[in-house]
Amino acid sequence: EAGVVQSPRYKIIEKKQPVAFWCNPISGHNTLYWYRQNLGQGPELLIRYENEEAVDDSQLPKDRFSAERLKGVDSTLKIQPAELGDSAVYLCASSLRVVGETQYFGPGTRLLVL
Amino acid sequence: AQKVTQAQTEISVVEKEDVTLDCVYETRDTTYYLFWYKQPPSGELVFLIRRNSFDEQNEISGRYSWNFQKSTSSFNFTITASQVVDSAVYFCALTFLAGGTSYGKLTFGQGTILTVHP
Repeated sequence: EAGVVQSPRYKIIEKKQPVAFWCNPISGHNTLYWYRQNLGQGPELLIRYENEEAVDDSQLPKDRFSAERLKGVDSTLKIQPAELGDSAVYLCASSLRVVGETQYFGPGTRLLVL
Repeated sequence: AQKVTQAQTEISVVEKEDVTLDCVYETRDTTYYLFWYKQPPSGELVFLIRRNSFDEQNEISGRYSWNFQKSTSSFNFTITASQVVDSAVYFCALTFLAGGTSYGKLTFGQGTILTVHP
C-alpha cells in the first residue's frame, strides 16, 4: 500500500514569492493534516480536513497561507507571499478517521526562503 | 491545554547499550492517545506505537518496549541492545478525544536526538 505522497521534496525561493505544496494521502483516508516543523522542534498542526471540509484551521496564518482539498482526496497548501520565517519542513499526514486514529506522515517538503 | 515534555534533548550511546527515552505529558482530558514516532535523517516521521489512556498494559515488541504510567503522566520508550540504525529523533505525541474542533490534533514534544555509535 502506498504511503502519503508529497511534492516537491525540496523548494528554494526568494522572499515574497509564492510557493505551493501538494499532498496525496493514503487511499481511503478521510482525514488529512498539514503540519509545519521548524528546525529542532516537533511538528505543529496548521490545518485539518475531514473529507473536503477544513474543520480546524485555527493555527493557519490566514493572511498568507491557504489550503484546499477540493475533492476530498489530495490537497494543496499555498504560501503567498513567502517570508524568511516560513523556512521549515511542511509535513502532510492522513488517518482513516480522526478519533484516536494513527496519523501517517509523508516525507515532507523542505522549504528554504532566501 | 495539552503539553508534552521530552526533557532529554540529546542522548548518545554505544551500540548494544539499552536506552530509555522519557516523555511526560499534561492533559485535563481523561480520554487520550499517546504515540511515539521516529524521525530518521531522511525526515519522514515513522509511527512506532499508540496507546490509549485506558490501556496501561506495557508491551515489548522485539527490541522496543514501552512503560505507560498514568499516575505519573509518563510514557517512556526503551530500546534494548541499540543499533546504529536506531539513530534518529524520537517524538512523543498526545491527542485527546473530547469534542470540539481541536480533537485529533497531535501535540508533539520537542524530540530527543538519539545517536548510537558503533
